[in-house]
Amino acid sequence: AQSVTQLGSHVSVSEGALVLLRCNYSSSVPPYLFWYVQYPNQGLQLLLKYTTGATLVKGINGFEAEFKKSETSFHLTKPSAHMSDAAEYFCAVSLYGGSQGNLIFGKGTKLSVKP
Amino acid sequence: NAGVTQTPKFRILKIGQSMTLQCTQDMNHNYMYWYRQDPGMGLKLIYYSVGAGITDKGEVPNGYNVSRSTTEDFPLRLELAAPSQTSVYFCASSQAEAFFGQGTRLTVV
Repeated sequence: AQSVTQLGSHVSVSEGALVLLRCNYSSSVPPYLFWYVQYPNQGLQLLLKYTTGATLVKGINGFEAEFKKSETSFHLTKPSAHMSDAAEYFCAVSLYGGSQGNLIFGKGTKLSVKP
Repeated sequence: NAGVTQTPKFRILKIGQSMTLQCTQDMNHNYMYWYRQDPGMGLKLIYYSVGAGITDKGEVPNGYNVSRSTTEDFPLRLELAAPSQTSVYFCASSQAEAFFGQGTRLTVV
């Protein structure tokens, strides 16, 4: 069965510092992996996704993630944090690759950015 | 573009009351989903649909019902509201990518 573990429910960084949000998954089939961002009182917005091919995936707002099969990880990074990055981030795996909305979500990591 | 529209945005229900959360999408997506979000728990799938007339249970379907009579609409029904159903509910639709609505914040008292 698929599952997602996000390490750290809260992460705090200074503006300009590296952002690293950790995600590990388990899947019995080749995974389709996603990162979503949720701003306060908003819905979820897709940051990036891995389906097949290149393991380093670039997304919106300067974020990227690397799929590492040997480590079953899909960590999200951004070289330099901005105040506007403060939000909650969710890692997810798709139960069925062709239908990318049938998702198993991690519990989320709330990112705070200090000036 | 409207995308996925959910109504209402907020609702307070008394225990035992019923209500329908509405969800409409204008992207002609076949797949639609209902999730609930509880603090610190991420999102859990309640029900999903792969097309008009076809629905199936997700991870946490108890206490809910759905129908899908058209491609556009996927309402979620709570028949006998319970405090455990206090949550934020998100509807989503997808073809190649999932799009989420803005959510309905439901409180059962």
